[in-house]
Amino acid sequence: NAGVTQTPKFQVLKTGQSMTLQCAQDMNHEYMSWYRQDPGMGLRLIHYSVGAGITDQGEVPNGYNVSRSTTEDFPLRLLSAAPSQTSVYFCASSSTGNNQPQHFGDGTRLSIL
Amino acid sequence: QKEVEQDPGPLSVPEGAIVSLNCTYSNSAFQYFMWYRQYSRKGPELLMYTYSSGNKEDGRFTAQVDKSSKYISLFIRDSQPSDSATYLCAMRVSGGYQKVTFGIGTKLQVIP
Repeated sequence: NAGVTQTPKFQVLKTGQSMTLQCAQDMNHEYMSWYRQDPGMGLRLIHYSVGAGITDQGEVPNGYNVSRSTTEDFPLRLLSAAPSQTSVYFCASSSTGNNQPQHFGDGTRLSIL
Repeated sequence: QKEVEQDPGPLSVPEGAIVSLNCTYSNSAFQYFMWYRQYSRKGPELLMYTYSSGNKEDGRFTAQVDKSSKYISLFIRDSQPSDSATYLCAMRVSGGYQKVTFGIGTKLQVIP
């Protein structure tokens, strides 16, 4: 029972490089989200999706792109990494309905030099 | 001012103590209130989920919501070393499934 799987677990990038953080869930959840977690800031929503082909911006979307071609996958792309994007990134998924909780992956720790 | 305020701690208590964790918020439209537990280098996991005002109990955990004061609490009875983690409060408006606002988390250490 995998739940939400994030890869890679750790990554170091140089400023200006691009990369994709992968997120996959096996629970057939409609909703998926990406958060970043920074000291003193808590979890902040980057982008979210309410189903395949549908995405929207969250609180801090600048510098990040997403797409959702399947129900299972929701990759997050950094087009040109900046030191301000050094953070821990979490992917979450949930089913519809008011009482459905978000299930989180274990995060990707990203450092931008 | 942040929408959700939470004291980051750290909070250290002896094993067996009753722990009280709290959050205040400013958005009166919040209807759903959650507490997540996050162990080091892991993702948050849901502990408690409550709707509107009132109390909810689950084992050693009790969640309270006071909408008139915009104040929520999580109580942990008979605290154990395994409860040592960061506790995040979270809340959202009705229908806003993806737009959850989190507190910064309170780090709790239960000392054997």
